[in-house]
Amino acid sequence: DGGITQSPKYLFRKEGQNVTLSCEQNLNHDAMYWYRQDPGQGLRLIYYSQIVNDFQKGDIAEGYSVSREKKESFPLTVTSAQKNPTAFYLCASRRDREVAFFGQGTRLTVV
Amino acid sequence: AQKVTQAQTEISVVEKEDVTLDCVYETRDTTYYLFWYKQPPSGELVFLIRRNSFDEQNEISGRYSWNFQKSTSSFNFTITASQVVDSAVYFCALSEGYSGGGADGLTFGKGTHLIIQP
Repeated sequence: DGGITQSPKYLFRKEGQNVTLSCEQNLNHDAMYWYRQDPGQGLRLIYYSQIVNDFQKGDIAEGYSVSREKKESFPLTVTSAQKNPTAFYLCASRRDREVAFFGQGTRLTVV
Repeated sequence: AQKVTQAQTEISVVEKEDVTLDCVYETRDTTYYLFWYKQPPSGELVFLIRRNSFDEQNEISGRYSWNFQKSTSSFNFTITASQVVDSAVYFCALSEGYSGGGADGLTFGKGTHLIIQP
């Protein structure tokens, strides 16, 4: 079945530690996105990529980094520079202006 | 810059009541797309509908209906005869057209938490 897979579902990070969230899609979509969701804040765009080896900052990119070495994969690294990383992270993929399909999300907690 | 406003933070109704979720958007583009997504407690966003800016016809899908009015920049969502399973957070989103520049992503409203009480 085609879709988007995010892993892990739950992730715990210690202070000062970098962690990487995985996002894989087999929908053959060119564009991929990372969103952050906080209670009452809706979804905010962190990074997006429209093509392999290219990506752009979204509205809240500080403290995050991404790579797009393969069409299917768009991992997100939450660095120690992100001071408030506890949130729900959603990955999406899309073809042109068509519907965006989302993964099941990763819930990151700082311990 | 594009913006989506969902003024209703939370709505609570009794099962079988009709309920309307409001969505107001702002964009400078003449070509754009509007979406509604449902987020159940599991967290994954489920696509409900996509509407382009040139199609103002209302749409009905079972108990769901959508009213798109360009004159008021609104894209409201109505659930008829609500059910407990409709309880979720609902997001309205906007994607601009081919104007170039910008994030090219979806801009989401803050969501409306719908609670259907049995």
